[in-house]
Amino acid sequence: EDQVTQSPEALRLQEGESSSLNCSYTVSGLRGLFWYRQDPGKGPEFLFTLYSAGEEKEKERLKATLTKKESFLHITAPKPEDSATYLCAVQAESGGYNKLIFGAGTRLAVHP
Amino acid sequence: GAVVSQHPSRVICKSGTSVKIECRSLDFQATTMFWYRQFPKQSLMLMATSNEGSKATYEQGVEKDKFLINHASLTLSTLTVTSAHPEDSSFYICSARTRQGPSNQPQHFGDGTRLSIL
Repeated sequence: EDQVTQSPEALRLQEGESSSLNCSYTVSGLRGLFWYRQDPGKGPEFLFTLYSAGEEKEKERLKATLTKKESFLHITAPKPEDSATYLCAVQAESGGYNKLIFGAGTRLAVHP
Repeated sequence: GAVVSQHPSRVICKSGTSVKIECRSLDFQATTMFWYRQFPKQSLMLMATSNEGSKATYEQGVEKDKFLINHASLTLSTLTVTSAHPEDSSFYICSARTRQGPSNQPQHFGDGTRLSIL
């Protein structure tokens, strides 16, 4: 069965304290791994797509990496405005209509 | 680019009322749209996949007669919660994927609809 597990469930950082969020997956044929940011009461905002192991993407303080079993979202020198829930999702070959399987998310709080 | 608009953002109504939620892709055409439900502090649960011009595909455990989906054009899908009851109260979110390019492109999400049934 296709599964996505995110850790930690919640993370509290001081402003400027870099860290990483983990997304572990087991799928039968990865077609894409997606990172989203979700603010309270809002829909997810697209951040990155990774398609193959070894691929990396960067945007401002965020950097996403991918291996054959997991993805990391690295946050460098975070600011309070980076506080949000970060969701990881995978699209597998076995999924009908190419649907996404979401992890439970990591709730990030960055304090000044 | 890739903007998805969802309306209304919040609905409060009495038990037994039917509620329609609209999802529009504003700057791209979407062959496929998705409807999700999210409970507090939980992740998104896919309810159904909506394809333009054909019947929606519902996930296991989702009542198709309860949650009616119509995808009449390449930019609009609607979800109607029929005869809503308090247990239907939730955060409903739609997403859309562009018809251009491969099918493993990202989904883009609306801002959700908070449904509260009294």
